[in-house]
Amino acid sequence: NAGVTQTPKFRILKIGQSMTLQCTQDMNHNYMYWYRQDPGMGLKLIYYSVGAGITDKGEVPNGYNVSRSTTEDFPLRLELAAPSQTSVYFCASSPNRGGGNTIYFGEGSWLTVV
Amino acid sequence: QQQVKQSPQSLIVQKGGISIINCAYENTAFDYFPWYQQFPGKGPALLIAIRPDVSEKKEGRFTISFNKSAKQFSLHIMDSQPGDSATYFCAASIGQAGTALIFGKGTTLSVSS
Repeated sequence: NAGVTQTPKFRILKIGQSMTLQCTQDMNHNYMYWYRQDPGMGLKLIYYSVGAGITDKGEVPNGYNVSRSTTEDFPLRLELAAPSQTSVYFCASSPNRGGGNTIYFGEGSWLTVV
Repeated sequence: QQQVKQSPQSLIVQKGGISIINCAYENTAFDYFPWYQQFPGKGPALLIAIRPDVSEKKEGRFTISFNKSAKQFSLHIMDSQPGDSATYFCAASIGQAGTALIFGKGTTLSVSS
């Protein structure tokens, strides 16, 4: 039972490089999210999607882009990586509205920008 | 108003003791209050959740106490075990699409044996 799968697990980027964090879920959930987690800061919402073709900004969207071409996949694109984007990134999904429905998280992607 | 304030930042409890983590919120529109548990190297996982129409919810050794008038809620872990050592996040949401969850900053719990 895979759930939410993220790749890569670890990545080191140089300043100015770009990359895509991949996320896929096999639970047929409509809602998908990207959070970032910084030490002592909890989780901050970057972007979310309520279904294929529909995305919207969360609390900290600057420097990121997303797309949702299928129900299963929700990749996060980092353009022109900056040291401030060093963080742990979590993809998540939920069957319906986030509130009141369990949000299932992936195991995280550790990104270091040097 | 969108913040959820969590305390303490870290907590050390002896095996068999009670662990208590507190959260406070301002936005009275929040209508769902979950607690997530996160082990090192893993993603957060739902532990227990409550809605504001009840004052307490218990699942095994884990209890949420909810005080609507004070806009506070807390997690109690009874008979704490070393396996409970993890980071705990409280969260809140308004329940509409897109707001997802607003998380507290987390509490790192260490249960000593």
